[in-house]
Amino acid sequence: DAKTTQPNSMESNEEEPVHLPCNHSTISGTDYIHWYRQLPSQGPEYVIHGLTSNVNNRMASLAIAEDRKSSTLILHRATLRDAAVYYCILIGHNQGGKLIFGQGTELSVKP
Amino acid sequence: EPEVTQTPSHQVTQMGQEVILRCVPISNHLYFYWYRQILGQKVEFLVSFYNNEISEKSEIFDDQFSVERPDGSNFTLKIRSTKLEDSAMYFCASTHLRATGNTIYFGEGSWLTVV
Repeated sequence: DAKTTQPNSMESNEEEPVHLPCNHSTISGTDYIHWYRQLPSQGPEYVIHGLTSNVNNRMASLAIAEDRKSSTLILHRATLRDAAVYYCILIGHNQGGKLIFGQGTELSVKP
Repeated sequence: EPEVTQTPSHQVTQMGQEVILRCVPISNHLYFYWYRQILGQKVEFLVSFYNNEISEKSEIFDDQFSVERPDGSNFTLKIRSTKLEDSAMYFCASTHLRATGNTIYFGEGSWLTVV
């Protein structure tokens, strides 16, 4: 399984943008880049995913490097409710939807 | 928005007892999963289930564990003889298609404490 590398923790101020990086230098051509987050005492929650092009949804944006070896999850205006552990996960063609979680990035948001 | 529901939210059991954790996946989903998270550790895959059989399982999912879809709505995880190290949060998840670009929906979890 291709691996991802994320910083252990990041801090942000409320209502400011947050850029959460993820390195995945061994990504293969058919791997999708997924982001999930886990709020305290809750189950993981889907945030966004992409393959090659940048993606936007109501929660966040995903910027994917041209060589696909890295990606950045962008929260445009962080709120206190965005404090969570964010996981960058690659899902390969033969993984059948199974998620392999790393340690993720713990995002804290200061008022 | 449809959601995956799990019961119980918290269960305390004595070592050696059998435990059944229940899940109701989203109604039109076809693929089901159990994950667990030991306190302070990362989320770990246990098992995936499709078409009434296990499609994949991890090393954690040994003979003490079993899964079942007893009817059209429930998906259960049974731990036959619980050990102290089975204490963890157990998450059920489901998805409609087993495609690489598909979203997986998680329940809120069942917290199991083995004493």
